[in-house]
Amino acid sequence: QKEVEQNSGPLSVPEGAIASLNCTYSDRGSQSFFWYRQYSGKSPELIMSIYSNGDKEDGRFTAQLNKASQYVSLLIRDSQPSDSATYLCAVSSGSARQLTFGSGTQLTVLP
Amino acid sequence: NAGVTQTPKFRILKIGQSMTLQCTQDMNHNYMYWYRQDPGMGLKLIYYSVGAGITDKGEVPNGYNVSRSTTEDFPLRLELAAPSQTSVYFCASSSFSRTGLRNVGYTFGSGTRLTVV
Repeated sequence: QKEVEQNSGPLSVPEGAIASLNCTYSDRGSQSFFWYRQYSGKSPELIMSIYSNGDKEDGRFTAQLNKASQYVSLLIRDSQPSDSATYLCAVSSGSARQLTFGSGTQLTVLP
Repeated sequence: NAGVTQTPKFRILKIGQSMTLQCTQDMNHNYMYWYRQDPGMGLKLIYYSVGAGITDKGEVPNGYNVSRSTTEDFPLRLELAAPSQTSVYFCASSSFSRTGLRNVGYTFGSGTRLTVV
């Protein structure tokens, strides 16, 4: 059973702070790693993908991957109230490269 | 460009009824997936397809069936609906890197909120 675990949350940070979201995965054969943002009542939206060890930055978002530790993280700098959502970690593996999702971390950015 | 379209958006079923959730995509993606999401939970894979005529079970297939007669369409069938199937259902399709080795992420439909009473 492939598992993806996220810090349970909920997580609250003040506006302008850094939000740190963490994820571990069990399948060492996993190839691709994603962070999705999901607003209440909406479908998940891809915000970051990462495939190699190290950091990947895109605007205020930085994804970090450590395959040896089977660990993925997402940092959101200068957090805004509009970042308030549930963040889903997803890991790709298997013959159809299907994604296994974590249960999500609910983030609230306080004005 | 519509992406992935799901219908209906909402549905209430009585126990024992059947229904089909429709999913169609216009991106010519071979890989398509059905997930369910229960409140406060992540997404669980029900079924997936790697091309027309090819489907396979995911993590939670019991009580569901799928077919894939065309690249565009991937309907999900619920037979004999049960309260445990109350959930939000998402269809997704996937694009891959040019080598075909990397999933570069899903495009999701807007979801179907199903209640079984």
